[in-house]
Amino acid sequence: RKEVEQDPGPFNVPEGATVAFNCTYSNSASQSFFWYRQDCRKEPKLLMSVYSSGNEDGRFTAQLNRASQYISLLIRDSKLSDSATYLCVVPVSGYSTLTFGKGTMLLVSP
Amino acid sequence: DAGVTQSPTHLIKTRGQQVTLRCSPKSGHDTVSWYQQALGQGPQFIFQYYEEEERQRGNFPDRFSGHQFPNYSSELNVNALLLGDSALYLCASSRGQGVNPYQETQYFGPGTRLLVL
Repeated sequence: RKEVEQDPGPFNVPEGATVAFNCTYSNSASQSFFWYRQDCRKEPKLLMSVYSSGNEDGRFTAQLNRASQYISLLIRDSKLSDSATYLCVVPVSGYSTLTFGKGTMLLVSP
Repeated sequence: DAGVTQSPTHLIKTRGQQVTLRCSPKSGHDTVSWYQQALGQGPQFIFQYYEEEERQRGNFPDRFSGHQFPNYSSELNVNALLLGDSALYLCASSRGQGVNPYQETQYFGPGTRLLVL
């Protein structure tokens, strides 16, 4: 299993839709996780941190299932501005270095 | 408060040449990490500098080297460039000793796009 695997995408959804991305990780010792957002030709920016079973921030909900080594990101009421690539990120144990998934592209259309 | 800055923004080199990329961390940050992002891929960790020393290294050959200066800025050097080195090179800064990644949020710079012909 790769260290971090994500749905390949792209996901094409209409405005207002609910969309969910999945991510699996291989290191069972990993404690916390991040979702970063990357706009086209821009740098990644932190979207959410996931520490325990999950986290919610407005329209965004991240959930963690440690038994299955699985993280998800749910976006409700999609906006055009949500169009971006969403990167699942796992910190390397012991150091503040990050292992990224390949990313899942989301395209929200009018 | 300036964020992470990188220079140059774009660079074109030919195979076999050497390149130096520069990064200035966000104010108050003392740790700099470098990542390589090939087209269609997520960023891959190259190495991390703290207190002017390489603290951790990813799976990259010795052609990739770096340096951190007393003012915390950093350079990434790549020797003997290959076509496969064409990528977006991202610098990320954070504050802390690296023992708690969950409290040491990494902030990324805009990156340097390197094209090797």
